[in-house]
Amino acid sequence: DAGITQSPRHKVTETGTPVTLRCHQTENHRYMYWYRQDPGHGLRLIHYSYGVKDTDKGEVSDGYSVSRSKTEDFLLTLESATSSQTSVYFCAISQPTEVMNTEAFFGQGTRLTVV
Amino acid sequence: AQKVTQAQTEISVVEKEDVTLDCVYETRDTTYYLFWYKQPPSGELVFLIRRNSFDEQNEISGRYSWNFQKSTSSFNFTITASQVVDSAVYFCALSGLEIFMKTSYDKVIFGPGTSLSVIP
Repeated sequence: DAGITQSPRHKVTETGTPVTLRCHQTENHRYMYWYRQDPGHGLRLIHYSYGVKDTDKGEVSDGYSVSRSKTEDFLLTLESATSSQTSVYFCAISQPTEVMNTEAFFGQGTRLTVV
Repeated sequence: AQKVTQAQTEISVVEKEDVTLDCVYETRDTTYYLFWYKQPPSGELVFLIRRNSFDEQNEISGRYSWNFQKSTSSFNFTITASQVVDSAVYFCALSGLEIFMKTSYDKVIFGPGTSLSVIP
């Protein structure tokens, strides 16, 4: 299994509070991603990173920010959590080859509930 | 814009039946990758296969097979002689090359998933 660890694995938080989810990898992969998974929507890309301090928005980035200060860590922050952000969050990593990326390896997921 | 469609939301089959999961994609890229992932009830995402856009050869791995047809932008997944352990949500995904400033990188876009139930 690829070395990806998400923390925490479960969290319950109150509306309006900030929340930070951490993704840590030991594979030295260049690309890191945050997805959210919701029933009927599959996985939707929130933000991704293509290098240290290099990040960009995905399709559902509103209300989220990310930071990547070192290769192994990619943080996802909900600046002011809302009930609509209740979801399962997955981190993924991939590595460029000569042509394209390798397949994305996923963390175990973080179940976030905003009450 | 890239898009992945999995029109089958839920499929239910009886054990030992064959089942095909459909995946249709849209992309303007000439170079791209297609993937299938499995998500069993335990929740983790398991990589099954990657196929690049230049390789239309069908692939077989045990009871699993994949049919890639560029002419119809489809990458279908067939499970032969299904088993209860195949019950899961299956995701098709597309990875395309994006050019931003002077850096190229990939974004992986997922379809909505197909929930497969194999009944004993």
